[in-house]
Amino acid sequence: EAGVTQFPSHSVIEKGQTVTLRCDPISGHDNLYWYRRVMGKEIKFLLHFVKESKQDESGMPNNRFLAERTGGTYSTLKVQPAELEDSGVYFCASSQDRDSQQYFGPGTRLTVT
Amino acid sequence: AQKITQTQPGMFVQEKEAVTLDCTYDTSDQSYGLFWYKQPSSGEMIFLIYQGSYDEQNATEGRYSLNFQKARKSANLVISASQLGDSAMYFCAMRGTLYNQGGKLIFGQGTELSVKP
Repeated sequence: EAGVTQFPSHSVIEKGQTVTLRCDPISGHDNLYWYRRVMGKEIKFLLHFVKESKQDESGMPNNRFLAERTGGTYSTLKVQPAELEDSGVYFCASSQDRDSQQYFGPGTRLTVT
Repeated sequence: AQKITQTQPGMFVQEKEAVTLDCTYDTSDQSYGLFWYKQPSSGEMIFLIYQGSYDEQNATEGRYSLNFQKARKSANLVISASQLGDSAMYFCAMRGTLYNQGGKLIFGQGTELSVKP
């Protein structure tokens, strides 16, 4: 069974540009989470989908970040316009239900120059 | 609010020796879960071990064990017989069970473990 996949693995963009990160959860997992780790700091929760609905988006830093999960399968996280402080590693995780183990993807390393 | 604290930014251990990575937590939940994840240099997050707040026994998974001291609010990870492949970043995390938590994980700052040959 395929694990959680994320694309791209690494993205380098200039300040002001737009980037879209994609996450494909494990098939059948209704719960999808986005986290990020900025340099030297802890991993922080961004938001949580249950199927296509946003269950909790309390961790989204500002309105430059937009997450979608159309059809309840894969999810995208768009940053527009990107700022220097958005640099970091963005992780996606999925789980079968809220209390199940979360399986993490390999992460997308975003570098904003 | 929930919080996880890992006070050891970096640790060294000799190969084949045991090492303890510290983790303390703060929560007002009565029911919660504690996790440890390993992040090698390749970047992926690997689940290691889980302890439920009502579990009376300390969790064990192979060479990993979790020293759970509820009264002290600590959940230290013990790695026995360290191997070179254990060199990685280790994260302690907590999940609350209140409905509005939604299952999200709260992470500590991480501890970078280096195993010396």
